[in-house]
Amino acid sequence: SQQGEEDPQALSIQEGENATMNCSYKTSINNLQWYRQNSGRGLVHLILIRSNEREKHSGRLRVTLDTSKKSSSLLITASRAADTASYFCATANFGNEKLTFGTGTRLTIIP
Amino acid sequence: DAGITQSPRHKVTETGTPVTLRCHQTENHRYMYWYRQDPGHGLRLIHYSYGVKDTDKGEVSDGYSVSRSKTEDFLLTLESATSSQTSVYFCAISDRGDEQFFGPGTRLTVL
Repeated sequence: SQQGEEDPQALSIQEGENATMNCSYKTSINNLQWYRQNSGRGLVHLILIRSNEREKHSGRLRVTLDTSKKSSSLLITASRAADTASYFCATANFGNEKLTFGTGTRLTIIP
Repeated sequence: DAGITQSPRHKVTETGTPVTLRCHQTENHRYMYWYRQDPGHGLRLIHYSYGVKDTDKGEVSDGYSVSRSKTEDFLLTLESATSSQTSVYFCAISDRGDEQFFGPGTRLTVL
């Protein structure tokens, strides 16, 4: 069963605009991670946010975590064509080295 | 994909035949994982390893076995391949059991 569910399933925006993707999960977590997957490639780790953190930044990426609502959001600012990819959230439970992935958001940046 | 390779990258096989996929890492990471990725399901964990000869089942382990006799190699075996095992298989590694690094994937087709 999927722990994380991304929303929306697909998103198309103009280059330069900001993109926001959301992830909801069901049980308590130790950390939540976001990954990117370009077509035909393996996943690439973007950012990890721990359960005691509320916001984290990495370059043009901003991740928020609301444990009371069991949700996270990934914001990509000033989008570029190279940001076109699928984005997945993944959750890790306490004392567990396994990740549970959502089904992903397909982001398309229109030049 | 640096430091982690998968072989073969593509394979076509027939129903009922055994198939072994290999994951090789040069990072000396403790944890290794096998996932399958199917449309509409995201990534699902098949098996993972937390050390040499130490493995555990994931969400979709039926019909699969694994072995890890060396730190650098993690083998996934489909004991008797079925058409439902047609998928893209990803190996991942992790040093501390948090962020994971993925291989390039193996596309397996079972006819």
